[in-house]
Amino acid sequence: KQEVTQIPAALSVPEGENLVLNCSFTDSAIYNLQWFRQDPGKGLTSLLLIQSSQREQTSGRLNASLDKSSGRSTLYIAASQPGDSATYLCAVSPRGNQFYFGTGTSLTVIP
Amino acid sequence: DTAVSQTPKYLVTQMGNDKSIKCEQNLGHDTMYWYKQDSKKFLKIMFSYNNKELIINETVPNRFSPKSPDKAHLNLHINSLELGDSAVYFCASSQGLALYNEQFFGPGTRLTVL
Repeated sequence: KQEVTQIPAALSVPEGENLVLNCSFTDSAIYNLQWFRQDPGKGLTSLLLIQSSQREQTSGRLNASLDKSSGRSTLYIAASQPGDSATYLCAVSPRGNQFYFGTGTSLTVIP
Repeated sequence: DTAVSQTPKYLVTQMGNDKSIKCEQNLGHDTMYWYKQDSKKFLKIMFSYNNKELIINETVPNRFSPKSPDKAHLNLHINSLELGDSAVYFCASSQGLALYNEQFFGPGTRLTVL
């Protein structure tokens, strides 16, 4: 069964720092991987979707990479801002009709 | 305009009651999902519907019955509510299966069973 782990569980950085969030999964047979952010009391917002054939995706200050063979993905956030504070979740899709979610990394960017 | 909407946002009820949560998406997607997020913030899929047909049911008790009257709606009915049902329930949608397409999530419904 697919298991998705995110390390660290919580991260606190000063504003302006670049940071990396990690996501690992046990079964490399995935169709895609998606990164989300969740603000307190809110739903999930999709950040980036990486297909299994892709190595990375970029959107603004965000860059996500995928290494299927090692079962890893990273989300790189450049020049962090207080507005980036949220919980970041990764999810993998071993089949086309569902996602397995990680436990999330709670990010706090200190002004 | 909200792409995926859920009602109600909060639901507090007694054990043993029956309740429903509604979900609607205006994105024109043909696949919808229900997820449960427990107190540890872990998200787990419950159901997935494609073109109103159930395509996945992840060992959810049969007290939970999804109903999809059309592609834009996927409602969740829960019978005989139990304390362990307390959680945040999220509805989501995607165009086609989530092979190549992002999932879009609703704001969630916080269910508290007393």
